[in-house]
Amino acid sequence: AQSVTQPDIHITVSEGASLELRCNYSYGATPYLFWYVQSPGQGLQLLLKYFSGDTLVQGIKGFEAEFKRSQSSFNLRKPSVHWSDAAEYFCAVVTGNQFYFGTGTSLTVIP
Amino acid sequence: DTEVTQTPKHLVMGMTNKKSLKCEQHMGHRAMYWYKQKAKKPPELMFVYSYEKLSINESVPSRFSPECPNSSLLNLHLHALQPEDSALYLCASSPGTRDTEAFFGQGTRLTVV
Repeated sequence: AQSVTQPDIHITVSEGASLELRCNYSYGATPYLFWYVQSPGQGLQLLLKYFSGDTLVQGIKGFEAEFKRSQSSFNLRKPSVHWSDAAEYFCAVVTGNQFYFGTGTSLTVIP
Repeated sequence: DTEVTQTPKHLVMGMTNKKSLKCEQHMGHRAMYWYKQKAKKPPELMFVYSYEKLSINESVPSRFSPECPNSSLLNLHLHALQPEDSALYLCASSPGTRDTEAFFGQGTRLTVV
Protein backbone atom coordinates (compact mmCIF):
# COMPACT_ATOMS: atom_id res chain seq x y z
CA ALA A 1 0.00 0.00 0.00
CA GLN A 2 1.08 3.53 -0.67
CA SER A 3 2.24 5.62 2.27
CA VAL A 4 4.22 8.72 3.06
CA THR A 5 6.27 9.30 6.19
CA GLN A 6 7.51 12.62 7.49
CA PRO A 7 9.82 11.75 10.38
CA ASP A 8 10.03 15.25 11.84
CA ILE A 9 6.87 16.51 13.54
CA HIS A 10 8.34 19.91 14.32
CA ILE A 11 11.47 21.78 13.19
CA THR A 12 12.81 25.12 14.37
CA VAL A 13 15.34 27.07 12.33
CA SER A 14 16.81 30.55 12.52
CA GLU A 15 15.93 33.04 9.83
CA GLY A 16 18.57 32.89 7.10
CA ALA A 17 19.57 29.33 7.93
CA SER A 18 19.18 26.45 5.51
CA LEU A 19 16.28 24.02 5.75
CA GLU A 20 15.70 20.38 4.91
CA LEU A 21 12.40 18.63 5.52
CA ARG A 22 12.38 14.88 5.15
CA CYS A 23 9.87 12.73 3.31
CA ASN A 24 9.97 8.99 2.70
CA TYR A 25 7.47 7.13 0.58
CA SER A 26 6.38 3.58 0.07
CA TYR A 27 5.09 2.92 -3.43
CA GLY A 28 5.36 0.02 -5.81
CA ALA A 29 5.82 1.90 -9.07
CA THR A 30 7.19 5.28 -10.07
CA PRO A 31 5.72 7.69 -7.57
CA TYR A 32 4.17 11.04 -8.32
CA LEU A 33 5.28 13.21 -5.40
CA PHE A 34 4.32 16.62 -4.11
CA TRP A 35 5.12 19.10 -1.40
CA TYR A 36 2.34 21.33 -0.15
CA VAL A 37 2.52 24.19 2.37
CA GLN A 38 -0.28 25.32 4.65
CA SER A 39 -0.36 28.53 6.64
CA PRO A 40 -2.61 28.58 9.74
CA GLY A 41 -6.29 28.40 8.84
CA GLN A 42 -5.55 28.34 5.12
CA GLY A 43 -5.74 25.82 2.33
CA LEU A 44 -2.83 23.87 0.89
CA GLN A 45 -0.58 25.51 -1.66
CA LEU A 46 1.48 23.39 -4.05
CA LEU A 47 5.20 24.09 -3.68
CA LEU A 48 6.54 21.62 -6.23
CA LYS A 49 5.98 18.24 -7.82
CA TYR A 50 7.93 15.33 -9.23
CA PHE A 51 6.56 13.16 -12.00
CA SER A 52 9.62 12.00 -13.92
CA GLY A 53 12.86 13.24 -15.43
CA ASP A 54 15.31 15.43 -13.56
CA THR A 55 15.43 14.29 -9.96
CA LEU A 56 16.06 17.81 -8.65
CA VAL A 57 12.91 19.87 -9.01
CA GLN A 58 12.48 23.56 -8.43
CA GLY A 59 9.39 25.04 -6.89
CA ILE A 60 7.95 28.32 -5.82
CA LYS A 61 9.27 30.55 -3.01
CA GLY A 62 12.85 29.32 -3.52
CA PHE A 63 12.15 25.71 -2.53
CA GLU A 64 13.61 22.66 -4.23
CA ALA A 65 13.31 18.93 -3.67
CA GLU A 66 15.38 15.95 -4.69
CA PHE A 67 13.93 12.58 -5.59
CA LYS A 68 16.16 9.66 -4.57
CA ARG A 69 14.73 6.34 -5.65
CA SER A 70 17.41 4.33 -3.82
CA GLN A 71 16.42 5.94 -0.53
CA SER A 72 12.68 6.25 -1.28
CA SER A 73 12.99 9.89 -0.33
CA PHE A 74 11.80 13.25 -1.59
CA ASN A 75 13.32 15.82 0.75
CA LEU A 76 12.45 19.50 0.57
CA ARG A 77 15.20 22.09 0.85
CA LYS A 78 15.64 25.83 0.98
CA PRO A 79 19.04 27.53 1.26
CA SER A 80 17.90 30.51 3.33
CA VAL A 81 14.68 30.49 5.32
CA HIS A 82 12.50 33.59 5.68
CA TRP A 83 10.18 34.29 8.60
CA SER A 84 7.22 33.96 6.24
CA ASP A 85 8.13 30.30 5.63
CA ALA A 86 6.76 29.36 9.05
CA ALA A 87 3.92 26.97 8.26
CA GLU A 88 2.92 23.32 8.08
CA TYR A 89 4.48 21.30 5.27
CA PHE A 90 2.94 18.16 3.82
CA CYS A 91 4.53 15.62 1.51
CA ALA A 92 2.10 13.63 -0.62
CA VAL A 93 1.98 10.87 -3.23
CA VAL A 94 -0.86 10.37 -5.68
CA THR A 95 -2.13 7.22 -7.30
CA GLY A 96 -5.02 7.59 -9.70
CA ASN A 97 -7.13 10.30 -8.11
CA GLN A 98 -6.23 9.42 -4.53
CA PHE A 99 -3.71 11.44 -2.54
CA TYR A 100 -1.81 10.06 0.41
CA PHE A 101 -0.45 12.74 2.74
CA GLY A 102 2.29 12.51 5.30
CA THR A 103 1.54 13.62 8.84
CA GLY A 104 3.13 16.99 8.24
CA THR A 105 6.11 18.93 9.59
CA SER A 106 5.51 22.15 11.46
CA LEU A 107 8.20 24.76 10.79
CA THR A 108 8.99 27.53 13.25
CA VAL A 109 11.36 30.31 12.20
CA ILE A 110 13.11 32.30 14.91
CA PRO A 111 14.59 35.76 14.28
CA ASP B 1 -8.03 31.30 -13.32
CA THR B 2 -6.22 28.77 -11.12
CA GLU B 3 -8.41 29.15 -8.05
CA VAL B 4 -10.69 26.89 -6.13
CA THR B 5 -13.21 29.06 -4.30
CA GLN B 6 -14.97 27.89 -1.17
CA THR B 7 -17.87 29.56 0.60
CA PRO B 8 -18.47 30.36 3.34
CA LYS B 9 -15.06 30.86 4.94
CA HIS B 10 -16.48 30.34 8.42
CA LEU B 11 -19.64 28.59 9.55
CA VAL B 12 -21.13 28.05 12.99
CA MET B 13 -24.08 25.70 13.16
CA GLY B 14 -26.15 23.97 15.76
CA MET B 15 -26.55 20.23 15.87
CA THR B 16 -30.08 20.42 14.45
CA ASN B 17 -29.25 22.79 11.60
CA LYS B 18 -28.96 22.05 7.91
CA LYS B 19 -26.27 23.93 6.01
CA SER B 20 -24.24 23.54 2.83
CA LEU B 21 -20.65 24.18 1.89
CA LYS B 22 -19.93 25.26 -1.66
CA CYS B 23 -16.90 24.86 -3.88
CA GLU B 24 -16.31 26.22 -7.38
CA GLN B 25 -13.50 25.94 -9.93
CA HIS B 26 -13.20 27.19 -13.50
CA MET B 27 -10.05 25.36 -14.55
CA GLY B 28 -11.93 22.70 -16.51
CA HIS B 29 -10.96 20.10 -13.93
CA ARG B 30 -13.01 16.92 -13.94
CA ALA B 31 -12.12 15.57 -10.51
CA MET B 32 -13.21 17.29 -7.32
CA TYR B 33 -12.61 16.34 -3.71
CA TRP B 34 -13.79 17.01 -0.18
CA TYR B 35 -11.30 16.69 2.64
CA LYS B 36 -11.72 17.12 6.39
CA GLN B 37 -8.79 18.44 8.37
CA LYS B 38 -8.41 18.60 12.13
CA ALA B 39 -5.83 20.87 13.76
CA LYS B 40 -2.22 19.73 13.32
CA LYS B 41 -3.31 16.75 11.19
CA PRO B 42 -3.12 16.01 7.47
CA PRO B 43 -6.26 16.28 5.35
CA GLU B 44 -8.49 13.19 5.41
CA LEU B 45 -10.23 12.28 2.20
CA MET B 46 -14.02 12.21 2.38
CA PHE B 47 -15.32 12.08 -1.19
CA VAL B 48 -14.05 12.13 -4.76
CA TYR B 49 -16.14 13.05 -7.78
CA SER B 50 -14.76 12.08 -11.15
CA TYR B 51 -16.55 13.39 -14.22
CA GLU B 52 -19.45 14.42 -11.96
CA LYS B 53 -19.93 10.92 -10.58
CA LEU B 54 -19.11 9.91 -7.04
CA SER B 55 -16.12 7.62 -7.35
CA ILE B 56 -14.82 7.43 -3.78
CA ASN B 57 -16.70 7.64 -0.50
CA GLU B 58 -14.39 7.02 2.42
CA SER B 59 -17.06 5.60 4.73
CA VAL B 60 -18.25 9.06 5.69
CA PRO B 61 -21.34 9.26 7.96
CA SER B 62 -24.60 9.99 6.17
CA ARG B 63 -24.94 13.33 7.94
CA PHE B 64 -22.49 14.50 5.23
CA SER B 65 -24.02 14.42 1.78
CA PRO B 66 -22.01 15.48 -1.29
CA GLU B 67 -23.46 16.77 -4.52
CA CYS B 68 -21.86 17.66 -7.84
CA PRO B 69 -24.43 19.65 -9.87
CA ASN B 70 -22.01 20.23 -12.76
CA SER B 71 -18.32 19.99 -13.58
CA SER B 72 -17.52 23.33 -11.91
CA LEU B 73 -19.46 23.00 -8.67
CA LEU B 74 -19.26 20.78 -5.65
CA ASN B 75 -21.47 21.00 -2.59
CA LEU B 76 -21.34 19.35 0.80
CA HIS B 77 -24.70 19.23 2.57
CA LEU B 78 -24.57 19.04 6.34
CA HIS B 79 -27.33 17.84 8.66
CA ALA B 80 -27.45 16.82 12.31
CA LEU B 81 -23.72 17.24 12.82
CA GLN B 82 -21.89 16.52 16.05
CA PRO B 83 -19.38 18.76 17.84
CA GLU B 84 -16.58 16.39 16.79
CA ASP B 85 -17.35 17.30 13.17
CA SER B 86 -15.89 20.74 13.82
CA ALA B 87 -12.91 21.05 11.47
CA LEU B 88 -11.52 22.76 8.39
CA TYR B 89 -13.25 21.41 5.29
CA LEU B 90 -11.14 21.63 2.18
CA CYS B 91 -12.24 21.33 -1.41
CA ALA B 92 -9.77 20.44 -4.14
CA SER B 93 -9.80 19.80 -7.85
CA SER B 94 -7.53 18.10 -10.35
CA PRO B 95 -7.63 17.67 -14.11
CA GLY B 96 -9.22 14.25 -13.80
CA THR B 97 -6.54 12.31 -15.55
CA ARG B 98 -4.53 9.98 -13.39
CA ASP B 99 -1.67 11.06 -11.18
CA THR B 100 -1.77 14.83 -11.35
CA GLU B 101 -1.58 17.55 -8.76
CA ALA B 102 -4.59 18.83 -6.87
CA PHE B 103 -5.44 22.48 -6.30
CA PHE B 104 -6.95 23.33 -2.95
CA GLY B 105 -9.38 25.98 -1.83
CA GLN B 106 -8.87 28.05 1.32
CA GLY B 107 -11.30 25.92 3.25
CA THR B 108 -14.39 26.43 5.36
CA ARG B 109 -13.82 26.55 9.11
CA LEU B 110 -16.83 24.74 10.56
CA THR B 111 -17.80 24.90 14.21
CA VAL B 112 -20.67 22.74 15.49
CA VAL B 113 -22.20 23.94 18.74
